[in-house]
Amino acid sequence: GAGVSQTPSNKVTEKGKYVELRCDPISGHTALYWYRQSLGQGPEFLIYFQGTGAADDSGLPNDRFFAVRPEGSVSTLKIQRTERGDSAVYLCASSPGASTGDTQYFGPGTRLTVL
Amino acid sequence: AQSVTQLDSHVSVSEGTPVLLRCNYSSSYSPSLFWYVQHPNKGLQLLLKYTSAATLVKGINGFEAEFKKSETSFHLTKPSAHMSDAAEYFCVVSDRWKTSYDKVIFGPGTSLSVIP
Repeated sequence: GAGVSQTPSNKVTEKGKYVELRCDPISGHTALYWYRQSLGQGPEFLIYFQGTGAADDSGLPNDRFFAVRPEGSVSTLKIQRTERGDSAVYLCASSPGASTGDTQYFGPGTRLTVL
Repeated sequence: AQSVTQLDSHVSVSEGTPVLLRCNYSSSYSPSLFWYVQHPNKGLQLLLKYTSAATLVKGINGFEAEFKKSETSFHLTKPSAHMSDAAEYFCVVSDRWKTSYDKVIFGPGTSLSVIP
């Protein structure tokens, strides 16, 4: 079956611009996570959705970052007034639900470059 | 709170020799533990996971890991390295300490090189 997909695969933007990154989770997965991976580091948690609601957004670095999941499926990560420090790979993962130890299935990521 | 330490940032082995990637964790609650692999410009792939059943876990591509609670370790091993094993490996801990869902923490990663 289809895995987690993310679009675009690469995004180059200029400092100060607005970007949207999209995640399509595995069909039927109710849990969705966003992570950010900087060069040479492990992914860092940004936000977790259970269904349509953001159950934990404690990892978002500041109020320029926002994410939505209006219908409980596709999610969009939105970054306003981008800065060079936002350059990273943004990863999305989904899991079947809220059971302990559920495997998270990762998408290929979106590589964001802010010039 | 959780934390993950991967003791080696880089490991280099010869093809056909054993692989050992070390991971120690800290968790205030019953953790689940995972190993993921990331090949260059590819997504993260699950190798194996421990969720409180058998402490010796077998995964894909001949990898296995042993959960040792007394040592708070979850080291990844493989008897014989292949060239295709060259990649970045992440140890991951998740638990529900102060949350109602699995809060996941990634280690910093270990880069594995395989020498022909």
